[in-house]
Amino acid sequence: SQQGEEDPQALSIQEGENATMNCSYKTSINNLQWYRQNSGRGLVHLILIRSNEREKHSGRLRVTLDTSKKSSSLLITASRAADTASYFCATDAGGTSYGKLTFGQGTILTVHP
Amino acid sequence: DAGVIQSPRHEVTEMGQEVTLRCKPISGHNSLFWYRQTMMRGLELLIYFNNNVPIDDSGMPEDRFSAKMPNASFSTLKIQPSEPRDSAVYFCASSSPRASYNSPLHFGNGTRLTVT
Repeated sequence: SQQGEEDPQALSIQEGENATMNCSYKTSINNLQWYRQNSGRGLVHLILIRSNEREKHSGRLRVTLDTSKKSSSLLITASRAADTASYFCATDAGGTSYGKLTFGQGTILTVHP
Repeated sequence: DAGVIQSPRHEVTEMGQEVTLRCKPISGHNSLFWYRQTMMRGLELLIYFNNNVPIDDSGMPEDRFSAKMPNASFSTLKIQPSEPRDSAVYFCASSSPRASYNSPLHFGNGTRLTVT
């Protein structure tokens, strides 16, 4: 079963606009990670946020985590055509499931030049 | 570093044939994961290894699937006999020793399997 559920399923924006993707999950987590997948390629790790963190930044990426609502968001600022890809959240439940990531269905982002 | 290397990139086979997918993890990584991706089911974890030992194979769909990791630099996923519903992209990923509890996965570019 899918732990993370992304919203929206697809997002289409113009270059320069911001893109926000949301992820909800069901059980407690050790950390939450965001990955990008370009067409025909493997997933690439973008950013990791621990369960005791609320916000994290990396370049044009900003991730928030609300463990009380079991949700996270990924914001990409000043988007570029090269940001066009699928974005996935993944949760690490820790404990006996340590290291085992469960992925959501992903958000397909299209950035028009 | 060359990253995680998977072979072949594409595999087309007939129903009933044996299929073997190969993976070379990043040198020094001690955890290896096999995922399957389809439009209908998304990314599913099939099995993962820690220090060459299978830790969790609960995602392996049935006995037709088997995975091995004979050493730290090589793993195989075998399907015998293959069926059309096995058509998917199969990804291998590895991660580094866990000095902390949080290590990202490094994915290969996948093997696209088509079973006719």
